[in-house]
Amino acid sequence: DAMVIQNPRYQVTQFGKPVTLSCSQTLNHNVMYWYQQKSSQAPKLLFHYYDKDFNNEADTPDNFQSRRPNTSFCFLDIRSPGLGDAAMYLCATSREAGGGSPLHFGNGTRLTVT
Amino acid sequence: KQEVTQIPAALSVPEGENLVLNCSFTDSAIYNLQWFRQDPGKGLTSLLLIQSSQREQTSGRLNASLDKSSGRSTLYIAASQPGDSATYLCAVRGYRGSTLGRLYFGRGTQLTVWP
Repeated sequence: DAMVIQNPRYQVTQFGKPVTLSCSQTLNHNVMYWYQQKSSQAPKLLFHYYDKDFNNEADTPDNFQSRRPNTSFCFLDIRSPGLGDAAMYLCATSREAGGGSPLHFGNGTRLTVT
Repeated sequence: KQEVTQIPAALSVPEGENLVLNCSFTDSAIYNLQWFRQDPGKGLTSLLLIQSSQREQTSGRLNASLDKSSGRSTLYIAASQPGDSATYLCAVRGYRGSTLGRLYFGRGTQLTVWP
């Protein structure tokens, strides 16, 4: 009963070649998040959507973009991946942006840049 | 800005020991604190969620406490097993200003339980 599904699990791309990661949810949650996690580091929030309202973190590089065409799907686009963008990318959902509701995470997509 | 620190960074123990993992955070204005487990190369699995008004939560062999005023939480694992080997992350959800709604993570404690 996977509730937050990320595809693919593993993605290999070439330096500078655009790549898209996808996330879908069956929870009907309003909020969707994208986190980047590099080896042995804390997950870092890139951006989040509250419904269709996009919220970018101040230090998220312009190279990273996101789309949310409907409630269930959210995409992370990396326009020109560099070697430093190799990481685990985690998608999460939450019923509300505030309040006590927990975040639910997918299994992540591990991105390798060659 | 909220900062979350976890100690120790790594822990290696024999099976059967009772463990305490520590988490501290700098801004006490939080909605809740969540403990996660992460297996190598995998996503995050939520273990326990403590609301800001609560003092502790229990699930099986896991017990998490929260002292919001002092900015501390502990995760207690009773009778550890090799299957508990993983990285444990704590995260707090911001309550105000620029932290509102955002989840801030520590780097985690990497736990190894050997038979």
